[in-house]
Amino acid sequence: DQQVKQNSPSLSVQEGRISILNCDYTNSMFDYFLWYKKYPAEGPTFLISISSIKDKNEDGRFTVFLNKSAKHLSLHIVPSQPGDSAVYFCAAKRDRTGYSTLTFGKGTMLLVSP
Amino acid sequence: SAVISQKPSRDICQRGTSLTIQCQVDSQVTMMFWYRQQPGQSLTLIATANQGSEATYESGFVIDKFPISRPNLTFSTLTVSNMSPEDSSIYLCSVGTGSNSPLHFGNGTRLTVT
Repeated sequence: DQQVKQNSPSLSVQEGRISILNCDYTNSMFDYFLWYKKYPAEGPTFLISISSIKDKNEDGRFTVFLNKSAKHLSLHIVPSQPGDSAVYFCAAKRDRTGYSTLTFGKGTMLLVSP
Repeated sequence: SAVISQKPSRDICQRGTSLTIQCQVDSQVTMMFWYRQQPGQSLTLIATANQGSEATYESGFVIDKFPISRPNLTFSTLTVSNMSPEDSSIYLCSVGTGSNSPLHFGNGTRLTVT
């Protein structure tokens, strides 16, 4: 049973437009959520996170929104750039320390075309 | 953030053989984890590598198949034993510092079993 779901395997967006990547989770014990970006032949790199006590966190072009009642989060990238083309993984954990483990979604491949 | 060196970066192995993957971190870290990403799937936690004691394995993973060592706070190995084609995956080392920082990943080992 997948506890973290990314239902869109891929997303295509034009440069300059907004990219919206979605993620749903089922485990109500999850308390901290992260987005990772992965380029081919590289490991995932941390992008942005949000605690369950917040509903929004912003870092430059990247904003993560959390709807805890719906168990849904989304990553907005504005404006999208070709260099953003990568696989984006949503991940969740029970707390924000390094001791708790991450549960990942299957990822969404984002393609930003010029 | 910690710099994680993982090797080999890729390998092609024959069925029935074993491969040991090394993970070296440039600083002492509290937590080290091993993940697997099968084709088209999410990252799945194999085990937590505990320094000086036996690793803690997730459901579906056993020590005989995936023996793990962690002799100190900067190094760990994962062995994939008696390999079959189903073991073809990307294996990723990740580290956590125990503070309020996200997990960081190595570049992974792409394993193909023929």
